[in-house]
Amino acid sequence: ETGVTQSPTHLIKTRGQQVTLRCSSQSGHNTVSWYQQALGQGPQFIFQYYREEENGRGNFPPRFSGLQFPNYSSELNVNALELDDSALYLCASSPSTGDGYTFGSGTRLTVV
Amino acid sequence: AQSVTQLDSQVPVFEEAPVELRCNYSSSVSVYLFWYVQYPNQGLQLLLKYLSGSTLVESINGFEAEFNKSQTSFHLRKPSVHISDTAEYFCAVSDGHGYSTLTFGKGTMLLVSP
Repeated sequence: ETGVTQSPTHLIKTRGQQVTLRCSSQSGHNTVSWYQQALGQGPQFIFQYYREEENGRGNFPPRFSGLQFPNYSSELNVNALELDDSALYLCASSPSTGDGYTFGSGTRLTVV
Repeated sequence: AQSVTQLDSQVPVFEEAPVELRCNYSSSVSVYLFWYVQYPNQGLQLLLKYLSGSTLVESINGFEAEFNKSQTSFHLRKPSVHISDTAEYFCAVSDGHGYSTLTFGKGTMLLVSP
């Protein structure tokens, strides 16, 4: 079975720009979550999607938004980028039972 | 609300020595507990998890963790570490319900030296 794949692996954006990160979930997993990991910190929950609907959100502003598609893949969009948005963005997929989370390798976003 | 405390930000240890990485959690409901490992410039890899049943869980590479409900702890141990175990280790908790999410600790950097 394939794992979770994320693209791109790295990117650099300018403050004020918009960015889209992509994630393909593991086969058989219908739930996708996004996490932000700042340097030297543990991952922080951004939001979660199940059956194309957002069903949980962490303490992130509305300029962080997402989508889930019928094949359970997902996108994370960030508008009006700020320097503090520089981080590793991790996507995790899980079955609806909530007992297993598989993470991708992440997208390293640098905002300059 | 749930929280996870990893008491040590860094743990230096010599190769072949034993190690314990401490994790305490706070939750008002029953929990699932996880340890993840992160190598430099990589994502998170699941090391082991406690869902139910035996309170002692083991990984394939020699790590083990014991769920202690009374002390709300899930410490990670290995009797003899290798250089290749050098990495960041994250403890995480979820409330065990469907569609639940993970709450992570801040991580412990395990530094194994010869």
